[in-house]
Amino acid sequence: GQSLEQPSEVTAVEGAIVQINCTYQTSGFYGLSWYQQHDGGAPTFLSYNALDGLEETGRFSSFLSRSDSYGYLLLQELQMKDSASYFCAVGYNFNKFYFGSGTKLNVKP
Amino acid sequence: ETGVTQTPRHLVMGMTNKKSLKCEQHLGHNAMYWYKQSAKKPLELMFVYSLEERVENNSVPSRFSPECPNSSHLFLHLHTLQPEDSALYLCASSQGPGGAGANVLTFGAGSRLTVL
Repeated sequence: GQSLEQPSEVTAVEGAIVQINCTYQTSGFYGLSWYQQHDGGAPTFLSYNALDGLEETGRFSSFLSRSDSYGYLLLQELQMKDSASYFCAVGYNFNKFYFGSGTKLNVKP
Repeated sequence: ETGVTQTPRHLVMGMTNKKSLKCEQHLGHNAMYWYKQSAKKPLELMFVYSLEERVENNSVPSRFSPECPNSSHLFLHLHTLQPEDSALYLCASSQGPGGAGANVLTFGAGSRLTVL
C-alpha cells in the first residue's frame, strides 16, 4: 500500500523559510504533488514533481528524490496567510492519487 | 459558476436515513473523485470515475454508493451509515489520463457529514 509520512505540525515566523518534508514507502508512482488547505476550505494544488529535482513556483518550491524516497515543499518569505495545512500526494495510473496526513503550518508575527 | 460545487455543505443524518451528496464540475474535466477527510488522517480515496466509468473502489463499505451519470456530475448515495462515517467528504475532478492537467486535482469545498 501507499504510506506517506509528514510532520504533523510546524511553526515559523513571518518572513522566514520553512521546509515541509514528505517521506514515502511506495513505488511506481508518476509524480509527487503538494496541496494547501486552509481551515474550512478546499485543498488547492500548489506544485507537482514528475522528475527528480527542484520545481519553483514563486515563493513555493518543491523537490523530489526518488532514490531517497523523499520530497519536500519549501516556502520562502512566509506570510500570515500561509498558515494552513499542507499535504503531499502521489499519483498513479488510472487517475489514482493518495495523500499524506498533512502538516499544519502555523506562521507567527 | 466555475470550479467544483458540492451540496449540501452540511448534513446531519440518523443511522437509518438515506441521503445523497452531490458534486458538479464546470471545468470540462472527465475524471471525478470522492475522498473522505477525517481529523488527523490522510485524505482517503474512495472512488474514481474516468470518462463516467468507475476505475477505483477503494474497499469502501457498500453503505456508500457512488453514481456518475455524466462527466460533470457525481453523487454519493448514503444509507444506514455509522457514527464513524462522520467526516468531510470531498469531491474533486481532473483532466483524464494524458491530459495536460491530469496530475492536478481541483477540489470542492466539501460536505460535512455528521451521523447520529
